Amino acid sequence: DAGVTQSPTHLIKTRGQQVTLRCSPKSGHDTVSWYQQALGQGPQFIFQYYEEEERQRGNFPDRFSGHQFPNYSSELNVNALLLGDSALYLCASSAGHKTYEQYFGPGTRLTVT
Amino acid sequence: GIQVEQSPPDLILQEGANSTLRCNFSDSVNNLQWFHQNPWGQLINLFYIPSGTKQNGRLSATTVATERYSLLYISSSQTTDSGVYFCAVEDNAGNMLTFGGGTRLMVKP
Repeated sequence: DAGVTQSPTHLIKTRGQQVTLRCSPKSGHDTVSWYQQALGQGPQFIFQYYEEEERQRGNFPDRFSGHQFPNYSSELNVNALLLGDSALYLCASSAGHKTYEQYFGPGTRLTVT
Repeated sequence: GIQVEQSPPDLILQEGANSTLRCNFSDSVNNLQWFHQNPWGQLINLFYIPSGTKQNGRLSATTVATERYSLLYISSSQTTDSGVYFCAVEDNAGNMLTFGGGTRLMVKP
């Protein structure tokens, strides 16, 4: 049973560029949530996708956008990258969008120079 | 939003020692999970425990929802237990997890 997978593992971008991160949920899961983890801090919620719609959003600017595909996989897009966007980006999946255990992928480490 | 506080922030143990990590939260919750983050950043599920007590090997957890806290017990610690332990909660209003600041555990041989 495949767990949550994310790609790429590492990424280096320049300020002002755009980036796309990808996530495939655990088998049987239909909900994907994205989190940003800055160095030395706990993960912070970005947004959640269920039934191909954004269901809830954390305190992140519109530069952060996402998409969910019919096969439940998801993308996170970040435009106009800032140095402060450097972080570990984590994807989590769950079976249903309310009150279900979330499982996390290995993350994508983004460095903005 | 809901506030989550973890204590202690840092903990150093000798191999074989026992420890208790605490998570306090400011409002009623639908979901509470404990995670272990390894040095590579992977968050590993330890417990899904919105209430009650669970045990898994040397680890156990208790959540007292009415008093808004949860405890993670590690017995006979091993060097492989080192890493950061996070508590995360989901409140009644939404479906996002709010994480505490973590407890950084180092187990020395």
